[in-house]
Amino acid sequence: DVKVTQSSRYLVKRTGEKVFLECVQDMDHENMFWYRQDPGLGLRLIYFSYDVKMKEKGDIPEGYSVSREKKERFSLILESASTNQTSMYLCASRRGGSTYGYTFGSGTRLTVV
Amino acid sequence: DQQVKQNSPSLSVQEGRISILNCDYTNSMFDYFLWYKKYPAEGPTFLISISSIKDKNEDGRFTVFLNKSAKHLSLHIVPSQPGDSAVYFCAADDTANTGNQFYFGTGTSLTVIP
Repeated sequence: DVKVTQSSRYLVKRTGEKVFLECVQDMDHENMFWYRQDPGLGLRLIYFSYDVKMKEKGDIPEGYSVSREKKERFSLILESASTNQTSMYLCASRRGGSTYGYTFGSGTRLTVV
Repeated sequence: DQQVKQNSPSLSVQEGRISILNCDYTNSMFDYFLWYKKYPAEGPTFLISISSIKDKNEDGRFTVFLNKSAKHLSLHIVPSQPGDSAVYFCAADDTANTGNQFYFGTGTSLTVIP
């Protein structure tokens, strides 16, 4: 069964900490994405990557960075966590050049205190 | 600027009746549309899709309708079941654009009352 795996379901971090959210997919997909979901705001794109070592800013990249050293892994980094980054974070992957949809991970509920 | 809009944040329907969820978009280049379903504390799961060459696609109890001239799509669930209670997101893509990202609406929370 193909999947996107996010390393943590729930995380609690302190303000100012550096936070790493990991995402791994086993489908050999070229494209990977990080979204955050907040009530009333839907899914907002933070960063995406269409190839190893490539990254593109989404709609809300401020306060975040990403790393894609291997095709299967896409990491989201909160350089200095703040309370307004408390959210549900969703990783997704998609085969390049296709009309297929995303495959999402189960999400990470991050709380910054 | 929100290119995909779901103007109803919530919807309540009696079990067995029809649920109709609506979605509007502004970008005329969008040519591929999907609906995702999301339960709390889980990732969204793919429900149904439609290409702009069609105006209807069915899969069991789920039907998606596309009106390109109105830039509007809708998801019909018939009959609605309590297990359908979830947040539904519509998403749109311009497949000619190499960005390969979907644009999502803000979601509609459906509650099916037993």
